Amino acid sequence: DAGVTQSPTHLIKTRGQQVTLRCSPKSGHDTVSWYQQALGQGPQFIFQYYEEEERQRGNFPDRFSGHQFPNYSSELNVNALLLGDSALYLCASSLVTGSSTDTQYFGPGTRLTVL
Amino acid sequence: GQQVMQIPQYQHVQEGEDFTTYCNSSTTLSNIQWYKQRPGGHPVFLIQLVKSGEVKKQKRLTFQFGEAKKNSSLHITATQTTDVGTYFCAGPHNAGNMLTFGGGTRLMVKP
Repeated sequence: DAGVTQSPTHLIKTRGQQVTLRCSPKSGHDTVSWYQQALGQGPQFIFQYYEEEERQRGNFPDRFSGHQFPNYSSELNVNALLLGDSALYLCASSLVTGSSTDTQYFGPGTRLTVL
Repeated sequence: GQQVMQIPQYQHVQEGEDFTTYCNSSTTLSNIQWYKQRPGGHPVFLIQLVKSGEVKKQKRLTFQFGEAKKNSSLHITATQTTDVGTYFCAGPHNAGNMLTFGGGTRLMVKP
């Protein structure tokens, strides 16, 4: 049973560039959430996708956008990169029943460095 | 908005000593979840507590959820070097299962 997968593992970009990160959810899961984890901090919720729509969004600017495909995989796009966007980007999948107790399973993350 | 705080931020212990991390939320939580992140790794789900006053054990780990459902603790008995990592608590963000994480407690164990 494949877990959550993310690509690429590492990425280096320069300020002003755009980046796309990819996530495949755990088999059987239909919901994908994205989190940003800066060094030494806890993950921060960016947004969640369900049925190909953004379901809820955290306190992140519009430079952060996403997409979910019919096969439940997801992309996170960040435009006009800033140095402060350097972080570990985590994807978490779950099978949504509408309950707050739905467990999220995290992927290994993509380490983004902005120079 | 909802805030989740954890103390201490760091803890060094000698192998065999006990360890406790505390988690406090600014709002009442429907549940609290605990994750462990090894150095260079990603958060791995440990447990979820739902009921007021709930206590759950996993081998040497004991998890508690406060009576008011605003605080929680994780206690490790007789730490081992394999316990090294950062322990995060997290609570649901508004409706749904999106999580607000605490800042984590980084545990270092001296052999």
